[in-house]
Amino acid sequence: AQKITQTQPGMFVQEKEAVTLDCTYDTSDPSYGLFWYKQPSSGEMIFLIYQGSYDQQNATEGRYSLNFQKARKSANLVISASQLGDSAMYFCAMREGLGFNKFYFGSGTKLNVKP
Amino acid sequence: DTAVSQTPKYLVTQMGNDKSIKCEQNLGHDTMYWYKQDSKKFLKIMFSYNNKELIINETVPNRFSPKSPDKAHLNLHINSLELGDSAVYFCASSQDTAGRLGGELFFGEGSRLTVL
Repeated sequence: AQKITQTQPGMFVQEKEAVTLDCTYDTSDPSYGLFWYKQPSSGEMIFLIYQGSYDQQNATEGRYSLNFQKARKSANLVISASQLGDSAMYFCAMREGLGFNKFYFGSGTKLNVKP
Repeated sequence: DTAVSQTPKYLVTQMGNDKSIKCEQNLGHDTMYWYKQDSKKFLKIMFSYNNKELIINETVPNRFSPKSPDKAHLNLHINSLELGDSAVYFCASSQDTAGRLGGELFFGEGSRLTVL
């Protein structure tokens, strides 16, 4: 089974609107971390936001928030007030277990922000 | 001051050649990785070292050989390059502590390898 599933290969959003990028995960370990990365066309991987499995509140970083629904095993990224510079690939990732462990990446969502 | 740096950024070479990509991190992290990103943007882990010890070795052809001289460096050597090796190779590092949830990956800028 896929550890991380991103079901939206591509999305469009109007500038200044909010957009939600979906991510579901699969693990039986009670300890895990969820991450979102942005990859603009220039190619670098930029860390956006992190949510630990024991965190009670949803993570927020500026215009980014993570809608963490543990029972549904979903960790959707919400970008508020989209900007043209938000156009990029977005990857959801998970690390399960404590200490050293592997990262699992989703297949990514290509977001296009329209002016 | 770049946290994770890899060289070269671009590599164009002929089939059958041998090439190396170097990676260095100045974050003091214990764990380093090599990832391959194919043309469909899928990120696949290749290797991981923790304190110079090989921890993850995914099903990668043995033409690929990583080497970690110390915990700040992880190099990737590729023998007998094939067309299918064309990809972007990312080096990354993370800080991991026993008994705690691991930290995020810090990526290098990527090395684009083109095999002709």
